[in-house]
Amino acid sequence: EAGVAQSPRYKIIEKRQSVAFWCNPISGHATLYWYQQILGQGPKLLIQFQNNGVVDDSQLPKDRFSAERLKGVDSTLKIQPAKLEDSAVYLCASSLGGTGYRGTEAFFGQGTRLTVV
Amino acid sequence: AQKVTQAQTEISVVEKEDVTLDCVYETRDTTYYLFWYKQPPSGELVFLIRRNSFDEQNEISGRYSWNFQKSTSSFNFTITASQVVDSAVYFCALSPGGYQKVTFGTGTKLQVIP
Repeated sequence: EAGVAQSPRYKIIEKRQSVAFWCNPISGHATLYWYQQILGQGPKLLIQFQNNGVVDDSQLPKDRFSAERLKGVDSTLKIQPAKLEDSAVYLCASSLGGTGYRGTEAFFGQGTRLTVV
Repeated sequence: AQKVTQAQTEISVVEKEDVTLDCVYETRDTTYYLFWYKQPPSGELVFLIRRNSFDEQNEISGRYSWNFQKSTSSFNFTITASQVVDSAVYFCALSPGGYQKVTFGTGTKLQVIP
């Protein structure tokens, strides 16, 4: 079974530029998550989709971050404009249902390491 | 509010030693799920175990074992006879029931020295 695919693996941009990340979840997984992991910290949920609807985006900095999941499958996360503090690994994950729903675990991609200079 | 505390930032052990990674959590929910994930240098998070709040049975899977104690709000993870391949960052995580976000701890970096 193919895992969660993310691209690119690495990205270096200058502050104030824009960047986009792509995620393809495991086939059949209804729930998709974007996490931000700053070096030395645990992952922090940015946004959670159930099919193509947003379940939780309370920690998404909406003035600069946006995400969409068209057709309930692939998803893109965009940052515009980027700031130095956005340097982090952006992890995409998917699960059959919500992670807490019947305790379904999330499967993670390898992440995109973003460096903002 | 939910909180997960992993007080051990880094642990180093010599190969074949046993090691326990601590996890203490806080939640007001009566139904919740606890997880452990492993993050090797490659970066992806690998699921290890899930436990719901109604199941306090300890679990053993090969060299891995987990001790869940509701009375102390702890969900500790023990690796027996550690191996170099166990070197990674390990995260404990908590989620209430339903479509709720997962809260991760800050992780414990384990280094197994040959």
